Amino acid sequence: DQQVKQNSPSLSVQEGRISILNCDYTNSMFDYFLWYKKYPAEGPTFLISISSIKDKNEDGRFTVFLNKSAKHLSLHIVPSQPGDSAVYFCAAADTGTASKLTFGTGTRLQVTL
Amino acid sequence: DVKVTQSSRYLVKRTGEKVFLECVQDMDHENMFWYRQDPGLGLRLIYFSYDVKMKEKGDIPEGYSVSREKKERFSLILESASTNQTSMYLCASSSGQSTYEQYFGPGTRLTVT
Repeated sequence: DQQVKQNSPSLSVQEGRISILNCDYTNSMFDYFLWYKKYPAEGPTFLISISSIKDKNEDGRFTVFLNKSAKHLSLHIVPSQPGDSAVYFCAAADTGTASKLTFGTGTRLQVTL
Repeated sequence: DVKVTQSSRYLVKRTGEKVFLECVQDMDHENMFWYRQDPGLGLRLIYFSYDVKMKEKGDIPEGYSVSREKKERFSLILESASTNQTSMYLCASSSGQSTYEQYFGPGTRLTVT
């Protein structure tokens, strides 16, 4: 049972345009969400997070939006750069129970010139 | 900077062999995790540990065991490797007081033949 879903396995965006990566979750107990970026042959690195008490968090070119009623979050990258080409994972936590994260299946972003 | 290191980047083992994957973190983190990453399945949690000598099963513990004798070190053991355990194995750590951010090692690509 996939509790965190990323329905788009891949996305291609032109350099300078906006990239929007989506993530849906089913577990209503999840109240903290993170995005990770992964390059080939490297471990994932943390990008940005959001608590369920907020609906938006911004860090430079990266913004995460959370819609609790729809159980949906998205990551916006503006403007997209070639170095952003990577696999992006969303992850969710139920902060009331454990420190573990549940990850989505990932979206491969390719930023073209 | 948090550093998580894994004993091998690439490993090739035969079916039935006992395999040890070692992970070391240098930030005095309480929590440590083992995941495997497979195409289309994302990161799946195998085992995690909140403290020395403590362990909890993740989502896919079958065929694996773990050991945490020291705070900085978390080992994943495949008692009798099988071909369906061919995968990328990722270790991560997090502080007990953090905002659920986990720091990952570079991964070990294990091939079982």
